[in-house]
Amino acid sequence: GESVGLHLPTLSVQEGDNSIINCAYSNSASDYFIWYKQESGKGPQFIIDIRSNMDKRQGQRVTVLLNKTVKHLSLQIAATQPGDSAVYFCAEGDSGGGADGLTFGKGTHLIIQP
Amino acid sequence: EAQVTQNPRYLITVTGKKLTVTCSQNMNHEYMSWYRQDPGLGLRQIYYSMNVEVTDKGDVPEGYKVSRKEKRNFPLILESPSPNQTSLYFCASSWAGFSDEQFFGPGTRLTVL
Repeated sequence: GESVGLHLPTLSVQEGDNSIINCAYSNSASDYFIWYKQESGKGPQFIIDIRSNMDKRQGQRVTVLLNKTVKHLSLQIAATQPGDSAVYFCAEGDSGGGADGLTFGKGTHLIIQP
Repeated sequence: EAQVTQNPRYLITVTGKKLTVTCSQNMNHEYMSWYRQDPGLGLRQIYYSMNVEVTDKGDVPEGYKVSRKEKRNFPLILESPSPNQTSLYFCASSWAGFSDEQFFGPGTRLTVL
């Protein structure tokens, strides 16, 4: 079946720098995309989502970009802090499809260097 | 405090011994879902429920059962656990479905010997 994937399993950045986590998706029918953060020993936590009628959405220190032409999604975190260290998952869903669920990527481990 | 709770958090059991993992949410959410998380495979949906008495299979439902008799509770039942069901399980809930912010529980680490 179609799947969501991530380009890099581990990303290491200096504290204070910006980080970009990338995600490729293959289901052209997907119209909903979401990023989750998972800290060690905890459940995933919602960060930000975007629907296919948008190409950019901003939150607090985070921005999600959606490029439907190349089926690419990215999460930008500005001015990274130690608390940003976690695994980040992207996920996609087709709200008009028969299944009512998300397909998750495998995750990227973001490490913040002091 | 708005939250999703799961019990137990850790469980070690033996093959074939029926078990139930409970999930409860206090946000009056319509949608609830169970996922398993395995290294290298990410999160995969087991079952979901759009409302009371309405449940549907996700991507990996084999070997699992669920029920939704009340809005707040969504237990996951393993009638005859097997070692390949050793995993980290998460329950989640949201107002209206998967395309709505899902709140996840803390997880249940299950080991089947």
